[in-house]
Amino acid sequence: LAKTTQPISMDSYEGQEVNITCSHNNIATNDYITWYQQFPSQGPRFIIQGYKTKVTNEVASLFIPADRKSSTLSLPRVSLSDTAVYYCLVGAGGYSSASKIIFGSGTRLSIRP
Amino acid sequence: GAGVSQSPRYKVAKRGQDVALRCDPISGHVSLFWYQQALGQGPEFLTYFQNEAQLDKSGLPSDRFFAERPEGSVSTLKIQRTQQEDSAVYLCASLGYDEQFFGPGTRLTVL
Repeated sequence: LAKTTQPISMDSYEGQEVNITCSHNNIATNDYITWYQQFPSQGPRFIIQGYKTKVTNEVASLFIPADRKSSTLSLPRVSLSDTAVYYCLVGAGGYSSASKIIFGSGTRLSIRP
Repeated sequence: GAGVSQSPRYKVAKRGQDVALRCDPISGHVSLFWYQQALGQGPEFLTYFQNEAQLDKSGLPSDRFFAERPEGSVSTLKIQRTQQEDSAVYLCASLGYDEQFFGPGTRLTVL
């Protein structure tokens, strides 16, 4: 599974847009890019998944350039409750590939008032 | 509830004791995963089941770790003769269409 690199930590303020970029230079053709969020004392929670271009849901947007060697998770107008660790993952997606998830160390996002 | 549940949520064991951690996946989910998460680190894969079959146990750190899912639903992760380095959060996840749903984890502390 492709290795990912993301910042160890980031700080921002309430109401700001936060962008977390992840590098995955060795991404394979059939790999999807997935982001998870983890709060203290909880298991990781799926945020968003994409293959190319842009994906948006009610929580976040995911921007993937044409070469797919990086991706950016965008959180609009963050609040204190967005303080968490965010993991970027790449791997085969879809029901047919129930593959293990390789987590890195994640990005620890701290939101301040 | 409709989510993945794990029990106990917290477990304290003396070094050398055996422990058993339980996972109740989302009903109908065929695939089930176990992960170990050390403090300040991301979760690390331990083992994977499809129904009752254990298809991948490459992440189990030693032969003291054993997992089972005899009826293809509830799973148990057993750790024999616990050591201090086994202290971690043990996460269980079951697979929906393209997303793994994680339980809250069991925090194991070995004294």
